Amino acid sequence: QVQLVQSGAEVKKPGASVRVSCKASGYTFTSFYIHWVRQAPGQGLEWMGWINPKSGGTNYAQKFQDRVTMTRDTSIRTAYMELSRLNSDDTAVYYCASQFCTSTSCGNLFDPWGQGTLVTVSS
Amino acid sequence: EIVLTQSPDTLSLSPGERATLSCRASQSVSSTYLAWYQQKPGQAPRLLIYGASSRATGIPDRFSGSGSGTDFTLTISRLEPEDFAVYYCQQYGRSPITFGQGTRLEIK
Repeated sequence: QVQLVQSGAEVKKPGASVRVSCKASGYTFTSFYIHWVRQAPGQGLEWMGWINPKSGGTNYAQKFQDRVTMTRDTSIRTAYMELSRLNSDDTAVYYCASQFCTSTSCGNLFDPWGQGTLVTVSS
Repeated sequence: EIVLTQSPDTLSLSPGERATLSCRASQSVSSTYLAWYQQKPGQAPRLLIYGASSRATGIPDRFSGSGSGTDFTLTISRLEPEDFAVYYCQQYGRSPITFGQGTRLEIK
């Protein structure tokens, strides 16, 4: 079945960068965009952007435009999200999620999701 | 950006009751591009409804979605114990993609 498995929890100091990975299985990796969504503790969901695994093209939310980089390695079916210049507000669970498609069309909604990666930013 | 406001913030009901959750958009959302998710503690969200009213694969038919323009509704016809969770609406028709703040459905 379609599955996304993310890397493990990270603890980072303010000002550092973090890279989270998302390994796909059960489908053709280049067929569906991978999105990244984060959730601060006790808070709601915040979309960060997407990567097209086929072309490498990206689209970032304006809030993260200057700090996020999404990449992929098709040889190992893995997408990456790197966030730089971390601060305490970046403490959150980061999810990757596959673009959802029906038999006739695709949209920028998400199914399935990875299990999430907790990133803690603390001095 | 399109702001989605969900109401109520918390809904307290008993198993067997009917739940009605609301999602209001700051601008018109094509009904093709409105989704609902369920999230349980410690888990990733799960897609329930897309296109405002279509159930995702494996979602029980007690879940239904409706609405158009700026007002959308998720209805759970008869609550099961496993339905108590947080529910989010999402619009995906216009960038940036945005979510509502969530409605917590708790056991009364």
